[in-house]
Amino acid sequence: DAGVIQSPRHEVTEMGQEVTLRCKPISGHNSLFWYRQTMMRGLELLIYFNNNVPIDDSGMPEDRFSAKMPNASFSTLKIQPSEPRDSAVYFCASSHLGRGLSGANVLTFGAGSRLTVL
Amino acid sequence: QKEVEQNSGPLSVPEGAIASLNCTYSDRGSQSFFWYRQYSGKSPELIMSIYSNGDKEDGRFTAQLNKASQYVSLLIRDSQPSDSATYLCAVKSGGSYIPTFGRGTSLIVHP
Repeated sequence: DAGVIQSPRHEVTEMGQEVTLRCKPISGHNSLFWYRQTMMRGLELLIYFNNNVPIDDSGMPEDRFSAKMPNASFSTLKIQPSEPRDSAVYFCASSHLGRGLSGANVLTFGAGSRLTVL
Repeated sequence: QKEVEQNSGPLSVPEGAIASLNCTYSDRGSQSFFWYRQYSGKSPELIMSIYSNGDKEDGRFTAQLNKASQYVSLLIRDSQPSDSATYLCAVKSGGSYIPTFGRGTSLIVHP
């Protein structure tokens, strides 16, 4: 398996523009996570999907952010309009998660998308 | 609010020494514990998981869990410069699908 695939790897855009980040999870994984990482705040969970359904979006900062997972092999995170404070590395991770003890409760991260909003 | 606390560091150790990284958590219902390593500019990758009290060894790495005291630690024996990275602790309770990550501890192993 090629792992979790994210695109683009780097994005530089101007304030007010729309940004779309893409993720292809590992085949067979039932859960997908979008994280944002900054020096100030560390790794923050934005949204979590289970079986393509958004389960927890409490980490989405505001209405400018939206995420979709139309099928088991694709997800997008969209920021519209983008602002300089959105500059961060955005990670997508997938896993086969379950409750309780499970060796499968391990997240595999993509390489990340580094976003710079000028 | 589930919290996972780590000293941000940096923790600096000489090559060949033992590096000790610590993590405390607030949720007593936590059942699964993970250590991820993140090199600068890269994504986190799992290096250890532990689910029961005691020690778990994997090569030069040993994870230690003490649920009564609510801490988990990672020991790296014979530290190498290639171990220099940020180490993230993640904790998951039995009733949740979502692991909570700490802010990470930066480790520097100098020759």
